[in-house]
Amino acid sequence: QQQVKQSPQSLIVQKGGISIINCAYENTAFDYFPWYQQFPGKGPALLIAIRPDVSEKKEGRFTISFNKSAKQFSLHIMDSQPGDSATYFCAASMNRDDKIIFGKGTRLHILP
Amino acid sequence: ETGVTQTPRHLVMGMTNKKSLKCEQHLGHNAMYWYKQSAKKPLELMFVYNFKEQTENNSVPSRFSPECPNSSHLFLHLHTLQPEDSALYLCASSQGAGAGGDTQYFGPGTRLTVL
Repeated sequence: QQQVKQSPQSLIVQKGGISIINCAYENTAFDYFPWYQQFPGKGPALLIAIRPDVSEKKEGRFTISFNKSAKQFSLHIMDSQPGDSATYFCAASMNRDDKIIFGKGTRLHILP
Repeated sequence: ETGVTQTPRHLVMGMTNKKSLKCEQHLGHNAMYWYKQSAKKPLELMFVYNFKEQTENNSVPSRFSPECPNSSHLFLHLHTLQPEDSALYLCASSQGAGAGGDTQYFGPGTRLTVL
């Protein structure tokens, strides 16, 4: 129940296309859903996050869509650029809990 | 830079060696974490410290021994490791104290190779 399931494991997208990464969870006590981005040689860094009281959050080219009833959320990267090539992790945590449960990651490659 | 530094960045050690990884955060945070990142299991939480107290030990073998002398420093002492322990070891910090919905700030990691 503590798992966050992420797909796909890897993704190749043409420059200018839309990259979509999906995640699903079981534990309805989760109430914070961040996405982390990791470049080679670096640690993960927070990209964007959402709470379940909204269905969508947009920051620039990055959008999180959240479906509370289906217990699913996804990251959309619009107008994908080669600089977006990285590994993306979805995650979930509960209020009053410092622990974050990470998905297994998606390795995204944007073709120039 | 994230405000979390880790040393060394790379470490090669034999199975009989003893070494330590160091993490320092300059963000005034109260919680610190050790993660193991390998190809097989991308991000495994190992230990959590909150206000210098260990609040999580995720069934980590005793050959890994954490130490948190204060809220800014975190160590991972290594001894008699196995080749399967080769991985990237990441340190992170957050505001902590059960704040929930905290952003974790990661260091760049230590790439460990056990021969």
